[in-house]
Amino acid sequence: DAGVIQSPRHEVTEMGQEVTLRCKPISGHNSLFWYRQTMMRGLELLIYFNNNVPIDDSGMPEDRFSAKMPNASFSTLKIQPSEPRDSAVYFCASSLRDGEKLFFGSGTQLSVL
Amino acid sequence: QKEVEQNSGPLSVPEGAIASLNCTYSDRGSQSFFWYRQYSGKSPELIMFIYSNGDKEDGRFTAQLNKASQYVSLLIRDSQPSDSATYLCAVKYTGKLIFGQGTTLQVKP
Repeated sequence: DAGVIQSPRHEVTEMGQEVTLRCKPISGHNSLFWYRQTMMRGLELLIYFNNNVPIDDSGMPEDRFSAKMPNASFSTLKIQPSEPRDSAVYFCASSLRDGEKLFFGSGTQLSVL
Repeated sequence: QKEVEQNSGPLSVPEGAIASLNCTYSDRGSQSFFWYRQYSGKSPELIMFIYSNGDKEDGRFTAQLNKASQYVSLLIRDSQPSDSATYLCAVKYTGKLIFGQGTTLQVKP
């Protein structure tokens, strides 16, 4: 199995630009999670989906952030407009059952200048 | 706000020693507990999980859970330099995993 696949690996953009992060979960996994990791705040859960349906988006910092899961094999996290404080590593993870034994992708290192 | 607390470290141990990593959590109703290892610049990977009070052993790793004290620990026996990493404690709350800040472990040859 290829594992959880994220793209791009690195993204450098300017403040105000739209950023789209992509994730392909492990085939057969029913739950998908988006996390953000910074030195100051650690690993924070932004949103998670069960069977393509958003269950909890309470971690999404503000309306500039949105996430979709149009099918079982693809999810996006969009930031519009981006700000320097959004700079972080964004991880996507999937699991067979919600909140159990997460498998993480390689992450997207986002830098907003 | 559900919380998972860890000492950020760094925890430094000599090669061959036992490393003890600790974690406390705030929600008494939590039932599932996990330890992830994260090497610098890499993504977290699951190394242990525990659901019941007591100890669970897997090779050089032992997870310990005390629900009454809301305390989870990870012991690494015969520590190796390759164990140097950040160890993240995670607790399941209503379908999602909440992570602690992580403890950085340094194993010195």
